[in-house]
Amino acid sequence: ILNVEQSPQSLHVQEGDSTNFTCSFPSSNFYALHWYRWETAKSPEALFVMTLNGDEKKKGRISATLNTKEGYSYLYIKGSQPEDSATYLCAFNTGRRALTFGSGTRLQVQP
Amino acid sequence: EPEVTQTPSHQVTQMGQEVILRCVPISNHLYFYWYRQILGQKVEFLVSFYNNEISEKSEIFDDQFSVERPDGSNFTLKIRSTKLEDSAMYFCASGWDSSVTYEQYFGPGTRLTVT
Repeated sequence: ILNVEQSPQSLHVQEGDSTNFTCSFPSSNFYALHWYRWETAKSPEALFVMTLNGDEKKKGRISATLNTKEGYSYLYIKGSQPEDSATYLCAFNTGRRALTFGSGTRLQVQP
Repeated sequence: EPEVTQTPSHQVTQMGQEVILRCVPISNHLYFYWYRQILGQKVEFLVSFYNNEISEKSEIFDDQFSVERPDGSNFTLKIRSTKLEDSAMYFCASGWDSSVTYEQYFGPGTRLTVT
């Protein structure tokens, strides 16, 4: 059974703070790691897909890193803004297309 | 920007009734998926569909569930006889068949409530 864990479960930060959260996944049979941003009542939005050990991806103030050997990925948000408030989901797949999701990190940014 | 749409946004049904959840995937995508999230739990994979047949399915996707692409644009999930435990948010997703990373683009979900 594949298990993807995310921590922390929730996070409250002040506007302007930088923050990061973790996704842990099985390091064997790794194929790709996906990060999604999900606001309530909206579609989960794809942020990054990473496949190679050592991958780093960046989109504006958000970046992610990947370590496939030890089975973790970090998502960083620099200078958090209230509009960054959302649940951040990671998902993992082996060579099959089915994604296995973590439980998400709920981020609340206070103005 | 193209997006996956789902209807209805919320469906209430009685136990034992059949429901059909509808999705319109992104138009040039050829892989289609259903996932669900029971309240308080993780998002779970149900099924993937390609070339008019199921390509993968999970243990959750039993004989009570079926999927169909009835025309060139819609993709549906049918639950034949709903149970209380089918109450969940159901997400449709789609992706390119040529994607080597298996990227998937999600709709906003249909909240199914079985009473």
